Amino acid sequence: EPEVTQTPSHQVTQMGQEVILRCVPISNHLYFYWYRQILGQKVEFLVSFYNNEISEKSEIFDDQFSVERPDGSNFTLKIRSTKLEDSAMYFCATAGRAGTDTQYFGPGTRLTVL
Amino acid sequence: GENVEQHPSTLSVQEGDSAVIKCTYSDSASNYFPWYKQELGKRPQLIIDIRSNVGEKKDQRIAVTLNKTAKHFSLHITETQPEDSAVYFCAASDTGTASKLTFGTGTRLQVTL
Repeated sequence: EPEVTQTPSHQVTQMGQEVILRCVPISNHLYFYWYRQILGQKVEFLVSFYNNEISEKSEIFDDQFSVERPDGSNFTLKIRSTKLEDSAMYFCATAGRAGTDTQYFGPGTRLTVL
Repeated sequence: GENVEQHPSTLSVQEGDSAVIKCTYSDSASNYFPWYKQELGKRPQLIIDIRSNVGEKKDQRIAVTLNKTAKHFSLHITETQPEDSAVYFCAASDTGTASKLTFGTGTRLQVTL
């Protein structure tokens, strides 16, 4: 069964540094999402992406965040200047269709900002 | 926007007993309700979902019920086993282009021997 993959599995960075988190979606999927989960808390929506543009973003997704699909396969989340509060598990999810289609989650990238 | 409440936050049952987790949602436009199981340090895994055109769905020991009038849905696990121990999240979504999932706060289920 195809799976969403993410790299790296764990990223440690200094406050103020830029990080790029990478996701490889399931090959025929068209809808891409980033979520984050602070330790012990619920999963929170960050951004959705379809047809090479952002469909929706949450309040968390401020100017420090950006997403892109640079080569038609990878889907990346960039945080320009990391803050301590950005420390969390970041999950990529993908779906074949919008609406009532299942979103499949990747294994996550644990981001630790020191 | 959508708000999803989930109860209880922790649930301990003996092996073989049933477990019930309840969620309520606020946005009447929501029409897709998945349940995810998350083991420690792992990705959320879909275990069952229900769409608004049905009131109940069952898959072996797992069932989900939906009451659209009351805006609540529940997960039922029968004959619980130790491997059912995990955190369970409910979520809600609509059919819009974004279709983001709004998650509940999670229920930590502990199945004891």
